[in-house]
Amino acid sequence: GQSLEQPSEVTAVEGAIVQINCTYQTSGFYGLSWYQQHDGGAPTFLSYNALDGLEETGRFSSFLSRSDSYGYLLLQELQMKDSASYFCAVRIGNNDMRFGAGTRLTVKP
Amino acid sequence: SQTIHQWPATLVQPVGSPLSLECTVEGTSNPNLYWYRQAAGRGLQLLFYSVGIGQISSEVPQNLSASRPQDRQFILSSKKLLLSDSGFYLCAWRRVGGRAADTQYFGPGTRLTVL
Repeated sequence: GQSLEQPSEVTAVEGAIVQINCTYQTSGFYGLSWYQQHDGGAPTFLSYNALDGLEETGRFSSFLSRSDSYGYLLLQELQMKDSASYFCAVRIGNNDMRFGAGTRLTVKP
Repeated sequence: SQTIHQWPATLVQPVGSPLSLECTVEGTSNPNLYWYRQAAGRGLQLLFYSVGIGQISSEVPQNLSASRPQDRQFILSSKKLLLSDSGFYLCAWRRVGGRAADTQYFGPGTRLTVL
């Protein structure tokens, strides 16, 4: 079977840094992606890692360690608008994607 | 630029009724297309994907079916809806090849309630 584990909820204050972890056990691995979804909206792409290391995109960074089957999304200088659900996703085949259950981030003033 | 459309935005259907959800993509050719379902407060469950016209792969056995009659059109159907079919249905496309090959672009979704 395929499994992606991430915390169900995280709370942080405005201006802080938060890290959302994702561990996976999948039959294949082509890359780890992160998506953001606001309530009632569709997921939007944030970041992607195919190789080990850190990818930085503005306030958001994503890290991957393939040997540990582990990755994380790092959000810096948190803003209220960052309150949303965050999903990690693994492409396990040419066309097959698996998503985690999502982490609900609440940013407090 | 590429855009993805889904309709309807919301739908309330009785148990046992048929279903047809449509998704169209503009601004790209030969995309990989996907249907996902999301239960309230949950992650995304991959239902079907298609790599070309008439080519459908099913991930979860159920009473739903999908078709791709045109390159940029993807349809999700059911002959008889069940209560458990309620959820948020999302269509997505993925560019094949290149650095952005793992980026999925999602449509606005259809919120289906089966009563």
